[in-house]
Amino acid sequence: ETGVTQTPRHLVMGMTNKKSLKCEQHLGHNAMYWYKQSAKKPLELMFVYNFKEQTENNSVPSRFSPECPNSSHLFLHLHTLQPEDSALYLCASSQFAGSTYEQYFGPGTRLTVT
Amino acid sequence: GENVEQHPSTLSVQEGDSAVIKCTYSDSASNYFPWYKQELGKRPQLIIDIRSNVGEKKDQRIAVTLNKTAKHFSLHITETQPEDSAVYFCAAPHFGDMRFGAGTRLTVKP
Repeated sequence: ETGVTQTPRHLVMGMTNKKSLKCEQHLGHNAMYWYKQSAKKPLELMFVYNFKEQTENNSVPSRFSPECPNSSHLFLHLHTLQPEDSALYLCASSQFAGSTYEQYFGPGTRLTVT
Repeated sequence: GENVEQHPSTLSVQEGDSAVIKCTYSDSASNYFPWYKQELGKRPQLIIDIRSNVGEKKDQRIAVTLNKTAKHFSLHITETQPEDSAVYFCAAPHFGDMRFGAGTRLTVKP
């Protein structure tokens, strides 16, 4: 399945490292999302982009910095993370932003902060 | 409190039995209610959704019911099979954004 891809699939980083997560969608969608998935917690919406413009920042700490150069690509830049940031980070896309469109998820990046 | 509450958090059934998962939401303007299935180590995938103009939708062994007055909706799986074992998430709009429930881990015992 190649609709929404994410790299890397696994990432281990120290608290002083800088790394980036990449997401790409091949569905012709205009909206892209970053979610954080922690054990036994709801999916947490982090950022929403619609036509490359950020429309939602759900009170995410500044150590997470998103970038959307075009409607097909989305990045999440990470720096000085904390151990509690360890989680599965899921990217998703939909035809347009909003709550009435099906979202298609990528496979996720399993992040471990040591 | 959570915008979307989902119950139960875990559910174990015998193969062939039915499973029901319930969600409640708070935004009365909500009009689209999807259900996602996430198998171990895989991405969430949409399995069924319902819009507010209908009260029930079926797709083979799965169905979703919606009660807009009470602001709750449910996923029903009949004749469960071991491959139905997964985590199921409901979602509902919350003032323009989609919010997800905490998930239900369904185990179907053969």
